[in-house]
Amino acid sequence: DAGVTQSPTHLIKTRGQQVTLRCSPKSGHDTVSWYQQALGQGPQFIFQYYEEEERQRGNFPDRFSGHQFPNYSSELNVNALLLGDSALYLCASSYGQTLYEQYFGPGTRLTVT
Amino acid sequence: DAKTTQPPSMDCAEGRAANLPCNHSTISGNEYVYWYRQIHSQGPQYIIHGLKNNETNEMASLIITEDRKSSTLILPHATLRDTAVYYCIVSSGSARQLTFGSGTQLTVLP
Repeated sequence: DAGVTQSPTHLIKTRGQQVTLRCSPKSGHDTVSWYQQALGQGPQFIFQYYEEEERQRGNFPDRFSGHQFPNYSSELNVNALLLGDSALYLCASSYGQTLYEQYFGPGTRLTVT
Repeated sequence: DAKTTQPPSMDCAEGRAANLPCNHSTISGNEYVYWYRQIHSQGPQYIIHGLKNNETNEMASLIITEDRKSSTLILPHATLRDTAVYYCIVSSGSARQLTFGSGTQLTVLP
């Protein structure tokens, strides 16, 4: 049983560009949440998708957007990249929007130069 | 969500019990205590959660004080692979996000 998978593993982009990160949830899970983790800090919640809709959003600007597909996979899009967007982006999946037993993927390391 | 306070770092000898404390003095009646850990270069991993009663699973035990203002995560026989940052999170049952603090860096020593 595959856990949460994320792609790509690493990514280097230039300031001002746009990036799309992808996440496939654990089998049987229908909810996907995205987190940003800067170096040396705990993860920060970006938003959560359930039933193909954004259900809750953290304190992130509109440059951060997402999508959930009918197969429950999800994308995180970031426009107009800033140097401060350099971070590890984590995807977590769960069943039914629960906070316990959220399964996290290995993350995508984004570097903005 | 209630704030939590954890020591920044702790050491534990391999094979001994690791007891990680968490203070959450402003916890509300409907808020749960969750514990996650993050091994270096990996995503966080769920460990255990509880509301009032002590809880135990195959990974750890969670002891919550009667007034619910603090809790302790116990790893009964720590191994080198338990070296990680441990996060104590307090959140209501209807919340949709985990609010991570700085956590406790646990280092298990051989």
